[in-house]
Amino acid sequence: EAQVTQNPRYLITVTGKKLTVTCSQNMNHEYMSWYRQDPGLGLRQIYYSMNVEVTDKGDVPEGYKVSRKEKRNFPLILESPSPNQTSLYFCASRTSGTFVDTQYFGPGTRLTVL
Amino acid sequence: AQKVTQAQTEISVVEKEDVTLDCVYETRDTTYYLFWYKQPPSGELVFLIRRNSFDEQNEISGRYSWNFQKSTSSFNFTITASQVVDSAVYFCALSEAFNSGNTPLVFGKGTRLSVIA
Repeated sequence: EAQVTQNPRYLITVTGKKLTVTCSQNMNHEYMSWYRQDPGLGLRQIYYSMNVEVTDKGDVPEGYKVSRKEKRNFPLILESPSPNQTSLYFCASRTSGTFVDTQYFGPGTRLTVL
Repeated sequence: AQKVTQAQTEISVVEKEDVTLDCVYETRDTTYYLFWYKQPPSGELVFLIRRNSFDEQNEISGRYSWNFQKSTSSFNFTITASQVVDSAVYFCALSEAFNSGNTPLVFGKGTRLSVIA
């Protein structure tokens, strides 16, 4: 089954404790992206990756890091989480190329930073 | 800059009523895509439809229908004979159609639909 998976689905942590949210897709998609969803703000892009070893900032990258060492994986890293990073996070993927394809989303990770 | 506006923050209807969710967009691109996603209480984002800017034909899928009007920059979503399982937050989104670089989805803020039995 074609899918985007994220782990963990729920996470409660404390300020300053490094964490990683994993994202994996099995559709051989080149393009992957992270979004955060906040009440009243909708979804905003954090980082994206056009392919292996090619990543760049989205609209709200402060406090986040990513890596793309393999095509299928695109982890989101919070080196020193703060309470304002409490949010619902989504990973998405699609094929890349001139013709923009539909993005498919993972199930979401609900993060609470105390 | 691209922008999507969903003016209805929350809508409540009684089961079997029809309901229309409004979406108005702004873009300078001549070719673009419009999307609707559903977010049920469980939290995942479910893709519903993608519409090309060069195809203004309305679409129907079961109880769902979409009305795309380029002249008014609107892409409205109608649920006919609503059911309790339709209760969710619905997002309208926009992206460029042709771009070999980053093409983030620009989302509206969502409309929360509650269908009451």
